[in-house]
Amino acid sequence: SSELTQDPAVSVALGQTVRITCQGDSLRNSYASWYQQRPGQAPVLVIFDKNNRPSGIPDRFSGSRSGNTASLTINGAQAEDEADYYCSSRDISGDHLEVFGGGTKLTVL
Amino acid sequence: QVQLQESGPGLAKPSQTLSLTCTVSGGSISSGSYFWSWIRQPAGKGLEWIGRISYSGTTNYNPSLKSRVSISVDKSNNQFSLKLTSVTAADTAVYYCARANWGCSGGVCFSFFDYWGHGTLVTVSS
Repeated sequence: SSELTQDPAVSVALGQTVRITCQGDSLRNSYASWYQQRPGQAPVLVIFDKNNRPSGIPDRFSGSRSGNTASLTINGAQAEDEADYYCSSRDISGDHLEVFGGGTKLTVL
Repeated sequence: QVQLQESGPGLAKPSQTLSLTCTVSGGSISSGSYFWSWIRQPAGKGLEWIGRISYSGTTNYNPSLKSRVSISVDKSNNQFSLKLTSVTAADTAVYYCARANWGCSGGVCFSFFDYWGHGTLVTVSS
């Protein structure tokens, strides 16, 4: 099955822009979805499909894809954006199983 | 607004079977082309997809757990359930149920989990 690779940790200064990446073969034919998880809480979908945000997700969150890499960009990071971020996609082969990246811990300085 | 709620014992003994149920409210489990999924997260670690079931009963499982996992659906009660056999301490985790939405357009596919339960901690210990 496919794997998705994320950097374990990323930091950003308050108000600056940060990009969190996710690499994997499945991303050549599938869009990644992105989840924010704050401590003690369930994951929350922040980006899905090509670059869509669920209702209530600020427009400072955006997504993109190039080759085998998907990116989550936060423009003007806020203190409340400090969280773990996970990417996910569906395997391109076989039964199209779901897979998660290992997660990225975002610190807002 | 769709809501999911996990329920079941918070403690399982080693070698026994872990059983959890997810109750769906605010929408029918039989509507749409959704997949109803289980995901888990050991303390301090990342998310692991366990498996999914469609409203028609088609199942798919994570290959690493496939020999021990079964997921079933109870459409009359708008629920789906997880059974994990022969559990060990490594199965201790917060277990989430979630709804998966998916599709393909222009040769590119997408899949995402749009609704999640709050999660339930299951500890495997004697």
